[in-house]
Amino acid sequence: EAQVTQNPRYLITVTGKKLTVTCSQNMNHEYMSWYRQDPGLGLRQIYYSMNVEVTDKGDVPEGYKVSRKEKRNFPLILESPSPNQTSLYFCASSYRGLGNTEAFFGQGTRLTVV
Amino acid sequence: GENVEQHPSTLSVQEGDSAVIKCTYSDSASNYFPWYKQELGKRPQLIIDIRSNVGEKKDQRIAVTLNKTAKHFSLHITETQPEDSAVYFCAATGANNLFFGTGTRLTVIP
Repeated sequence: EAQVTQNPRYLITVTGKKLTVTCSQNMNHEYMSWYRQDPGLGLRQIYYSMNVEVTDKGDVPEGYKVSRKEKRNFPLILESPSPNQTSLYFCASSYRGLGNTEAFFGQGTRLTVV
Repeated sequence: GENVEQHPSTLSVQEGDSAVIKCTYSDSASNYFPWYKQELGKRPQLIIDIRSNVGEKKDQRIAVTLNKTAKHFSLHITETQPEDSAVYFCAATGANNLFFGTGTRLTVIP
């Protein structure tokens, strides 16, 4: 089954404790992206990757890192999480860029930073 | 960058009535306008999209219209059903990004 898989689904952590949210897709998509969803703000892009070893900032990249060592995986790294990073996070992938092809979303990761 | 505004933020309709959600965008270079539906606790999923060379597209009970001159596009759902209750997001493309509206929570009252 074609899918985008995120882990974990839920995470509660403390301020400053490094964490990684994994994202994997099995559709051989070139393009992957991370979004955060906050009430009243919609979905905002954090980082995206056009292909292996090619990453770039989205609209809200501060406090986040990503890597794209393999085509299928695109982890999101929070080196020193803060409470303002409490949010619902979605990974998405598409065949090419998001300019004209469907984005497939993972099931989401709800992160709480206390 | 692109700025997408979406209205209304909440919408309640009686089952069987129509629902209309409207979006405007700022970047005249945007050329792809998808709509996503997000059910409670689920991931967003594409329900319909339209490209800039088309003015209208229909898929059963849903339709999208695009006015490139005025830079606005709309989602129309006819004969609404309780399973249409969800949050709907419009989006417009940037260079390598989808810029989303802030969402419309649609409630269909049986």
